Amino acid sequence: DAGVTQSPTHLIKTRGQQVTLRCSPKSGHDTVSWYQQALGQGPQFIFQYYEEEERQRGNFPDRFSGHQFPNYSSELNVNALLLGDSALYLCASSLSGASEAFFGQGTRLTVV
Amino acid sequence: GEDVEQSLFLSVREGDSSVINCTYTDSSSTYLYWYKQEPGAGLQLLTYIFSNMDMKQDQRLTVLLNKKDKHLSLRIADTQTGDSAIYFCAEKDGSSDYKLSFGAGTTVTVRA
Repeated sequence: DAGVTQSPTHLIKTRGQQVTLRCSPKSGHDTVSWYQQALGQGPQFIFQYYEEEERQRGNFPDRFSGHQFPNYSSELNVNALLLGDSALYLCASSLSGASEAFFGQGTRLTVV
Repeated sequence: GEDVEQSLFLSVREGDSSVINCTYTDSSSTYLYWYKQEPGAGLQLLTYIFSNMDMKQDQRLTVLLNKKDKHLSLRIADTQTGDSAIYFCAEKDGSSDYKLSFGAGTTVTVRA
């Protein structure tokens, strides 16, 4: 079992650009959540996808959007990047209704 | 709303026990979690406890939950240098049951 995999591991983008991050959930999991972890802070919930729909959203602007594919993998898109978007972006996978959530290694995004 | 607080730092001697404390405000939390994060890595699920339990033990880890005081602790017995990391307490939102709310993390340093 490969666990939760995220790509790329590191990314550098310029202000105003757009970025797409990818996540493959753990085998057998159908739910993907995305979190933003700024330096020195705990992860903050962005949104969760289940059955290809956004099920819940945290306090993030519409510049943050996502998608879930029929194979349960997911993408996080961020438009019009700001310097403050620099963070570690974490994907968590779970089985709907289950208590455990497993995280990937994250994508480190740097906006310059 | 939910709010999770942790002390920021803990220094412990190798072989001693570590106790990491956490308080939360959401009385409807269903599950409470402990995650470990090593430098440059994602989050590793250590253990979790259902809100109607008082204690859970898993090898060197003991979780204590005082629901009345909304206090959660993680005890690591026989602390090793490999236990040096940031430990995050998280609660599952009782109102939505989807997202996790994290504390800012406790940096544990194990000294020889």
